[in-house]
Amino acid sequence: DVKVTQSSRYLVKRTGEKVFLECVQDMDHENMFWYRQDPGLGLRLIYFSYDVKMKEKGDIPEGYSVSREKKERFSLILESASTNQTSMYLCASSPSGVLNNEQFFGPGTRLTVL
Amino acid sequence: AQRVTQPEKLLSVFKGAPVELKCNYSYSGSPELFWYVQYSRQRLQLLLRHISRESIKGFTADLNKGETSFHLKKPFAQEEDSAMYYCALSGRGGGATNKLIFGTGTLLAVQP
Repeated sequence: DVKVTQSSRYLVKRTGEKVFLECVQDMDHENMFWYRQDPGLGLRLIYFSYDVKMKEKGDIPEGYSVSREKKERFSLILESASTNQTSMYLCASSPSGVLNNEQFFGPGTRLTVL
Repeated sequence: AQRVTQPEKLLSVFKGAPVELKCNYSYSGSPELFWYVQYSRQRLQLLLRHISRESIKGFTADLNKGETSFHLKKPFAQEEDSAMYYCALSGRGGGATNKLIFGTGTLLAVQP
């Protein structure tokens, strides 16, 4: 059973703080993703990585950065948190391959920026 | 532009009624289509994908390339089907094309 874990379920930070969201997967997947989930907007891709130390911008990368030093871990960084970054953040992973593969999601981190 | 459209934010039906969750897409090329589901307090998970052509929990979805649609259907809704449903697409080819483009989601509420 694929397990994707996220470091926190709930997080409250203040404007201007640096925030780290951690994601770990235990299935040796090459691909990892960070999304934010907002009512009425669905899931929007922030960044993804298809290999260690590789990263690609998604649709809404502004205000975020990522780090992938090890295959199993993908971190999302908010350099200076702002109130409009209050959201649910979902991490996902998937194996690589020519045919697209199922993405497995973590439980989510609900971030509130005050 | 690559896009997934789910026109309904909320779909409310009675138990035993048929369900159809609409999904239309725009993509240059041959996409892979998926339906993901999120039950209350659970993580998002794959429900079905068009390439599998299978029925999961009584749900089916047919890819209509002419109408660029991938509607999700179930003949008789159950209360446990109540959840948020997301349609999604991706390209084929591995690597960076593995990213998913999600619709805005439809909340299905099945009334007793």
